[in-house]
Amino acid sequence: EAAVTQSPRNKVAVTGGKVTLSCNQTNNHNNMYWYRQDTGHGLRLIHYSYGAGSTEKGDIPDGYKASRPSQENFSLILELATPSQTSVYFCASGGGQNTEVFFGKGTRLTVV
Amino acid sequence: GDSVTQKQGQVTLSEDDFLFINCTYSTTTYPTLLWYVQYLGQGPQLLLKVTTANNKGISRGFEATYDKGTTSFHLQKASVQESDSAVYFCALVSNYNVLYFGSGTKLTVEP
Repeated sequence: EAAVTQSPRNKVAVTGGKVTLSCNQTNNHNNMYWYRQDTGHGLRLIHYSYGAGSTEKGDIPDGYKASRPSQENFSLILELATPSQTSVYFCASGGGQNTEVFFGKGTRLTVV
Repeated sequence: GDSVTQKQGQVTLSEDDFLFINCTYSTTTYPTLLWYVQYLGQGPQLLLKVTTANNKGISRGFEATYDKGTTSFHLQKASVQESDSAVYFCALVSNYNVLYFGSGTKLTVEP
């Protein structure tokens, strides 16, 4: 069973603080993704990676950085968190083109 | 760039009603179109895939088809159950297997 694990599952952060969201996959997938989900917007792509050491900007990368130190791990970093970044964040992994993409259970981030 | 539009934000039905959700897409390539379902507190999971090769996908009583002429694709089910209550997303597969999602349709099925 494909597995994508996110941590933490819930996080409260202060404005201006640094936040790191972690993601681990045991699927041996090359591609990994970070999305955020907000009511009325569906899931929007923040960053993605096609292999260890690579990170690419998605549609809404401003205010976020990503890190892919290994095949299994992909982190999303908010250097200076703002209340507008309050959202639910999903990590996902996928193999070759048109293969299934598997999502984690999400991280609910609240920036106060 | 690639994009998907999903206009039905909420749908409320009674058990055994017919479900129809529509999306439109824009892409310069031959599309692979997906339907994902998200249950409360969970991440999205793949429900159906439709490609230009098969034109139709069927799973768990749901059926998805697409119309190249109108660049639209839809999800239907003949008889919904309360357990089908969830959020349904259409999505388009782009390069590097990146998915572009519609804004989602929240389906509520009343007993």
